[in-house]
Amino acid sequence: DAGVTQSPTHLIKTRGQQVTLRCSPKSGHDTVSWYQQALGQGPQFIFQYYEEEERQRGNFPDRFSGHQFPNYSSELNVNALLLGDSALYLCASSLELSLAGNEQFFGPGTRLTVL
Amino acid sequence: KNEVEQSPQNLTAQEGEFITINCSYSVGISALHWLQQHPGGGIVSLFMLSSGKKKHGRLIATINIQEKHSSLHITASHPRDSAVYICAVNANFGNEKLTFGTGTRLTIIP
Repeated sequence: DAGVTQSPTHLIKTRGQQVTLRCSPKSGHDTVSWYQQALGQGPQFIFQYYEEEERQRGNFPDRFSGHQFPNYSSELNVNALLLGDSALYLCASSLELSLAGNEQFFGPGTRLTVL
Repeated sequence: KNEVEQSPQNLTAQEGEFITINCSYSVGISALHWLQQHPGGGIVSLFMLSSGKKKHGRLIATINIQEKHSSLHITASHPRDSAVYICAVNANFGNEKLTFGTGTRLTIIP
């Protein structure tokens, strides 16, 4: 049973560029959440996708956008990169109607460095 | 003030010691999570609880809903337990976002 996978693992971009990060949820999961974790900080919620729509959004600018595909995989896009966007980006998946509750399974993360 | 506060921020202990990490939150929750993050970033879910106590191996998690407080205990600590331990809450019912504490960095010395 494959867990949550993310790609790429590391990425280096320059200011002003655009980046796309990818996430495949745990098998059977239908909900994907994205988090940004700056160095030394706890993760911050970016947004959550369910049924191919953004269901919730954290306090992030419109430069951060996403998509969920029919197979439940998801992409996070960041436009006009800033130095402050350098962080570990974590994807977490869960099952909307799980009888076990809202347990989220995390991927290994993508470390983005903006120069 | 953060909605989720953890203490201590850093903890260094000798191998074999009993470890306690605390988490306080200020919002109503449907569930509280304890997570482990090793260097390199991967996060592993240790516990999800909404009441009482859960135990898994040497790890024990408790929650007091009335006091809005949870603790994570590690018995017979081992250097491989060295990691950042993060408390996170679901602040609403349903499959809602997680709100995280800033984590406790635990170092176990052999």
